Amino acid sequence: DVVMTQSPLSLPVTLGQPASISCRSSQSLVYSDGNTYLSWFQQRPGQSPRRLIYKVSNRDSGVPDRFSGSGSGTDFTLQISRVEAEDVGIYYCLQGTHWPPTFGPGTKVEIK
Amino acid sequence: EVQLVESGGGLVQPGGSLRLSCSASGFTFNNYGIHWVRQAPGKGLEYVSAINSNGGSTYYADSVKGRFTISRDNSKNTLYLQMSSLRAEDAAVYYCVKRNGYSYDDWGQGTLVTVSS
Repeated sequence: DVVMTQSPLSLPVTLGQPASISCRSSQSLVYSDGNTYLSWFQQRPGQSPRRLIYKVSNRDSGVPDRFSGSGSGTDFTLQISRVEAEDVGIYYCLQGTHWPPTFGPGTKVEIK
Repeated sequence: EVQLVESGGGLVQPGGSLRLSCSASGFTFNNYGIHWVRQAPGKGLEYVSAINSNGGSTYYADSVKGRFTISRDNSKNTLYLQMSSLRAEDAAVYYCVKRNGYSYDDWGQGTLVTVSS
């Protein structure tokens, strides 16, 4: 199985400041169709996960534009340009290129 | 609006069985593969099982293979997960998740399975 790693695992941030989460895969996530199936999910306390980003950099409908995704191959990043209180939660990356789908361990974002 | 509503969770003894259901609405159910993803208390997300749109192909994580069975009834817009020989490590919130474009775009609210004597 493809192993997904994230760093940091805990991220204390100041309101209004940027935040960045790294996700790395043990194999390239480029699929045979040329797409890279790397997604990001946010899980707020007590809630189900919600997808923010798909195919590396495509924001889902309703996701604030302060969230952005980037990367290629095996290295990916989720950036929050200015952290707001509602961004507190755990963020997971997911690879869908290889079977079975695998998640990163999660990064806990909290306010300093 | 897409809705996925899980049910059937509860307390079961080790070695016991449980059947989870997921009722879907707001989209054409028989056009999509659906997965079960679980989250043990305080832990991360883990793919458990998958079924394709017509139910003809099923897949399982190694950790549940031979013990869990996924199925669907497209006439009822419902997904099932029959779980048997349950172990303590199967305790988790089980989410029904719609697969779209090699990703998961919609999640249910989850149903909690507790395995304890």
